[in-house]
Amino acid sequence: DAGVIQSPRHEVTEMGQEVTLRCKPISGHDYLFWYRQTMMRGLELLIYFNNNVPIDDSGMPEDRFSAKMPNASFSTLKIQPSEPRDSAVYFCASSLGGLVAEQYFGPGTRLTVT
Amino acid sequence: AQSVTQLDSQVPVFEEAPVELRCNYSSSVSVYLFWYVQYPNQGLQLLLKYLSGSTLVKGINGFEAEFNKSQTSFHLRKPSVHISDTAEYFCAVKGSSNTGKLIFGQGTTLQVKP
Repeated sequence: DAGVIQSPRHEVTEMGQEVTLRCKPISGHDYLFWYRQTMMRGLELLIYFNNNVPIDDSGMPEDRFSAKMPNASFSTLKIQPSEPRDSAVYFCASSLGGLVAEQYFGPGTRLTVT
Repeated sequence: AQSVTQLDSQVPVFEEAPVELRCNYSSSVSVYLFWYVQYPNQGLQLLLKYLSGSTLVKGINGFEAEFNKSQTSFHLRKPSVHISDTAEYFCAVKGSSNTGKLIFGQGTTLQVKP
């Protein structure tokens, strides 16, 4: 398997623009996680899905952030409108069989909002 | 609620020397514990995990960790490090219920010098 695939790898956008990050989990995995990593706050879980259903979105910073998983092989994280404080590396991870199973991380998307 | 404290933000060490990366957690319930490694410009990768049973857990790349319930610690050790072990290491905790998310520490940067 190719592992977790994220696109784009780098995104530079201006404040106020809409940003969409994409993730393809490992085939067969039933959990999908979106994380954000910054120097100040470390690694934070934003939201996770089980069988395409959002289970816990308590980490989503505010209404500007939204995530969807229309099918088992694709998820998006959208920020609208984007702000400079959203600059971070966003990781997608997937796992099989539960919340203590190994999470496989994608390479991340480095987002810069100017 | 669970929390994780990694006591050292950076650990410099010479090649072939032993190393210990410290992790303490707080929780009012039984926990599961994890160590993940992040190489530069990559996503996280699971090193090892403690779910139950033997308190000494062996992982990949020669790493091991010991769960100490009385001291609420889960320190990571390696008897002899290599240059290739230079990376950031994250300790994580999850409560033993069927719900709940993985909580990551702030990370420890291991810098192996020749």
